Amino acid sequence: AQSVSQHNHHVILSEAASLELGCNYSYGGTVNLFWYVQYPGQHLQLLLKYFSGDPLVKGIKGFEAEFIKSKFSFNLRKPSVQWSDTAEYFCAVKLTGGGNKLTFGTGTQLKVEL
Amino acid sequence: DGGITQSPKYLFRKEGQNVTLSCEQNLNHDAMYWYRQDPGQGLRLIYYSQIVNDFQKGDIAEGYSVSREKKESFPLTVTSAQKNPTAFYLCASSFPRGTYTGELFFGEGSRLTVL
Repeated sequence: AQSVSQHNHHVILSEAASLELGCNYSYGGTVNLFWYVQYPGQHLQLLLKYFSGDPLVKGIKGFEAEFIKSKFSFNLRKPSVQWSDTAEYFCAVKLTGGGNKLTFGTGTQLKVEL
Repeated sequence: DGGITQSPKYLFRKEGQNVTLSCEQNLNHDAMYWYRQDPGQGLRLIYYSQIVNDFQKGDIAEGYSVSREKKESFPLTVTSAQKNPTAFYLCASSFPRGTYTGELFFGEGSRLTVL
């Protein structure tokens, strides 16, 4: 079965620091990849997604992610974080042709300090 | 406003009681999902339905049941057979079949506590 690993469970950064959150998946076939974010007290929402084409995808609020097929990775990055980026971030994978079913990682809790 | 409404937001129940969580959407989405969110375990898929009157088990379906009699509604019943029901439950939906973009739209969740 496919699985998604997020190795950083808790990350604490100061404002303006750079961010990289790791995401690895275990599946050898074609996948669609997603990052979702859950701000405190809010519902989960899509941050960005990769289906095909340019492996570097840009999302909302200055986030980007790079799909590296050889490494089965889809790491999330932001050059300079803000206090408002404090949230929980989830990586998710969907098998192409696998219906609409997403498999989520365990999440990374990011805290940005002023 | 279009969206997904989950109710109740908080629910307390005694052990051994069945409880039903409501999920309603007015987005005209065909597919609906139930996830369970536990600290340190992320989101795990309980059940999903791609069309009315059809649903499939997800990864942790034991102790849960669902129905999909209407496109707008996908209630989840947490039965007494669920060994560890205390959790945060999230309902989601996605675009109609054939136009799937990969994006799930989530409700605000229901927190169930079993005493």
